[in-house]
Amino acid sequence: DTAVSQTPKYLVTQMGNDKSIKCEQNLGHDTMYWYKQDSKKFLKIMFSYNNKELIINETVPNRFSPKSPDKAHLNLHINSLELGDSAVYFCASSQLGQGNIQYFGAGTRLSVL
Amino acid sequence: DQQVKQNSPSLSVQEGRISILNCDYTNSMFDYFLWYKKYPAEGPTFLISISSIKDKNEDGRFTVFLNKSAKHLSLHIVPSQPGDSAVYFCAASNQGAQKLVFGQGTRLTINP
Repeated sequence: DTAVSQTPKYLVTQMGNDKSIKCEQNLGHDTMYWYKQDSKKFLKIMFSYNNKELIINETVPNRFSPKSPDKAHLNLHINSLELGDSAVYFCASSQLGQGNIQYFGAGTRLSVL
Repeated sequence: DQQVKQNSPSLSVQEGRISILNCDYTNSMFDYFLWYKKYPAEGPTFLISISSIKDKNEDGRFTVFLNKSAKHLSLHIVPSQPGDSAVYFCAASNQGAQKLVFGQGTRLTINP
């Protein structure tokens, strides 16, 4: 049973479209994250939620909007997709008090054409 | 400004020998360091970590060394096995900040 699961695994879409990526964790963790891995392979944090509250919001265009319906889910909605949004997006989760060990999903490869 | 750097994009090691992966950081506020391993089409998997109050942490074949004065850490894998072939990411955090800052990764290839 996958601990952190993301859907879809691949997403190909046209510029200007709106798309969502879903993430669920069954580890009972209270904190969830979205990371972006760009073409240079850097993994950079975008957002962090703790118990459904936004904790970290890095310098991300406001076209990106995370939504956490409950502490086991953190979805990422992207409006008006641009070519530069093409990347692999990783969801992760962790538990406060257990260091900063984060557990990652398998990633969603987004290609904007 | 990249606060965590892995200057070797790739490393090739013979099976059974030692693999040494290096990582440098610039932010002196970092107090917790982690290594992740990543296979293609999978997410990073936690491997081993070290707190800044230690200079060494060992887990089986994996040992992480931390040199705070040099702002440098390294991961030693001995003996190296073919299944160790993967991309290794170094990450750092300030325990109060909850976010990880990653290096750009080193691709390790273990040759039979």
